[in-house]
Amino acid sequence: DAGVIQSPRHEVTEMGQEVTLRCKPISGHNSLFWYRQTMMRGLELLIYFNNNVPIDDSGMPEDRFSAKMPNASFSTLKIQPSEPRDSAVYFCASSLDRGLQGYTFGSGTRLTVV
Amino acid sequence: AQKVTQAQTEISVVEKEDVTLDCVYETRDTTYYLFWYKQPPSGELVFLIRRNSFDEQNEISGRYSWNFQKSTSSFNFTITASQVVDSAVYFCALGIHNTDKLIFGTGTRLQVFP
Repeated sequence: DAGVIQSPRHEVTEMGQEVTLRCKPISGHNSLFWYRQTMMRGLELLIYFNNNVPIDDSGMPEDRFSAKMPNASFSTLKIQPSEPRDSAVYFCASSLDRGLQGYTFGSGTRLTVV
Repeated sequence: AQKVTQAQTEISVVEKEDVTLDCVYETRDTTYYLFWYKQPPSGELVFLIRRNSFDEQNEISGRYSWNFQKSTSSFNFTITASQVVDSAVYFCALGIHNTDKLIFGTGTRLQVFP
């Protein structure tokens, strides 16, 4: 299996632009998680899906952030409009059994908003 | 409240030294799970181990060993005969039964010098 695939690996964008991060989970995994990692806050859970349904989005920082999972093999995290404070590494992770068997993380997307 | 504390921000050792990374957790739940993840300089998050709250047996995997003690709410990680390739940030995480969330500690950066 190729693991969790995230794209792009790096994204540099100007403030105010829309940013879309993409994730392909491991085939057969039924839970998908979006995390954000910053020096100040560490690893924060933004949102997670189970069987393509958003279960908890309480970690999404603002309405500028939205996430979708249209099918079992694809998810997006969108920021519109982006701001410099959104600069971070965004990780996607997937798991079987609602995450408690251990997540498999993607390589992350390093987002820089200038 | 659930919380994970990794009091050691950074540890530096010389190759072949043994090193222990501390992890203290807080939860009122009786069923929970503890994890360790490794984040090497390349940035990906690598799953190392998962333990459930009913299994206090210590575990050894090669040079890695884990000491789970419910009495002190600790789940410490020891690397024996450290190597330069062990240099990374190590995260301890707590998962609560019947939720999908993993609560991460702030991580411990381990530097192993030759």
